[in-house]
Amino acid sequence: DVKVTQSSRYLVKRTGEKVFLECVQDMDHENMFWYRQDPGLGLRLIYFSYDVKMKEKGDIPEGYSVSREKKERFSLILESASTNQTSMYLCASTLGTSGYNEQFFGPGTRLTVL
Amino acid sequence: AQTVTQSQPEMSVQEAETVTLSCTYDTSENNYYLFWYKQPPSRQMILVIRQEAYKQQNATENRFSVNFQKAAKSFSLKISDSQLGDTAMYFCAFMIYSGGGADGLTFGKGTHLIIQP
Repeated sequence: DVKVTQSSRYLVKRTGEKVFLECVQDMDHENMFWYRQDPGLGLRLIYFSYDVKMKEKGDIPEGYSVSREKKERFSLILESASTNQTSMYLCASTLGTSGYNEQFFGPGTRLTVL
Repeated sequence: AQTVTQSQPEMSVQEAETVTLSCTYDTSENNYYLFWYKQPPSRQMILVIRQEAYKQQNATENRFSVNFQKAAKSFSLKISDSQLGDTAMYFCAFMIYSGGGADGLTFGKGTHLIIQP
């Protein structure tokens, strides 16, 4: 079974802190994604990566950056956390170049910024 | 930009009933993929069913089936013989066929489905 893990289920940070959210997948997937989920808004794509050291902006990249130094790991970075970044963050991965392939999701990290 | 609309924020049905969740989308593209994902209260999102836009035949997966109407840009999900374990948030999602790789999904806002015993 594909496993996508995220470093924390719950995280509380202060405004202005630098925050790292880590995601690891164990099935050698090329593509990895970061989404944020807010009630009434569904999921929105922040960034994605289709290869090591490659990154593409999604629909809401402002205030975020990403890092992919190894194939299995994709990190989301909040350079200076703000209260409007309080949200559930979901990581996903998928195999190959077909958009038809299933995206496998991690359990999510609920981030609260005070 | 592509948009996905789920017009039913919440639905509640009795166990064993059939329920249909609606989804419409807007795109000018001709080649794309459509998905339904389920997020149970435990929060792990899982794929329910998917459809390639060029295929006329509606996808089915056991008790789950879709009604794909390309001209109307509609992609509804039917759950037959609903079970308590079907209680979850259901998200309709869309991806354009880019030819070069897997892009991110565009999601609707979700429908909270409650199956009553």
